[in-house]
Amino acid sequence: KAGVTQTPRYLIKTRGQQVTLSCSPISGHRSVSWYQQTPGQGLQFLFEYFSETQRNKGNFPGRFSGRQFSNSRSEMNVSTLELGDSALYLCASSLEGGQGNIQYFGAGTRLSVL
Amino acid sequence: QKEVEQDPGPLSVPEGAIVSLNCTYSNSAFQYFMWYRQYSRKGPELLMYTYSSGNKEDGRFTAQVDKSSKYISLFIRDSQPSDSATYLCAMSSYSGGSYIPTFGRGTSLIVHP
Repeated sequence: KAGVTQTPRYLIKTRGQQVTLSCSPISGHRSVSWYQQTPGQGLQFLFEYFSETQRNKGNFPGRFSGRQFSNSRSEMNVSTLELGDSALYLCASSLEGGQGNIQYFGAGTRLSVL
Repeated sequence: QKEVEQDPGPLSVPEGAIVSLNCTYSNSAFQYFMWYRQYSRKGPELLMYTYSSGNKEDGRFTAQVDKSSKYISLFIRDSQPSDSATYLCAMSSYSGGSYIPTFGRGTSLIVHP
């Protein structure tokens, strides 16, 4: 069974631009979560999608948004990029989010904002 | 104070040593406890997953949860250079129809031959 796939693996953008990251979950998984990982803050939860609806949201500004499609694939968008948005963005999928929500992570998209 | 505290290390040990990794937490609502391993340039991979207090063993790995002390540990026996990675603890509570994990910042482990 294929794992979680994130594209692209690397991105370089400049301040003020916007970016869209993509995540394909494990087949059969309906819950997709996004995280931001930085050396200073560690892994921080951005949001979770289930059945095309945002079910949970972390403490990030509205510049960070996402969506989920009917095939459970998800995209994350960051508008008006800031230098501090440079990070590894990780997507994780799970069956439905219940029973402890065992999540399986992709390799991440490394975003550099110049 | 962060909800989950984890010493970032690095922790350097010789091959064959027993490694002890720890996390403390403050939120009594946490119900599930997990350990992830993350190699450089990779996403975290799940190592251990426990629900209640007590020990859980899987090969060279033992996870220990003490809810009364709000303290969890991961022990690695007979450590190998291939165990060199960052180890993240995570714990989750129920929110809005799902269990959302909160992660520690990770401990960097180096096992030298």
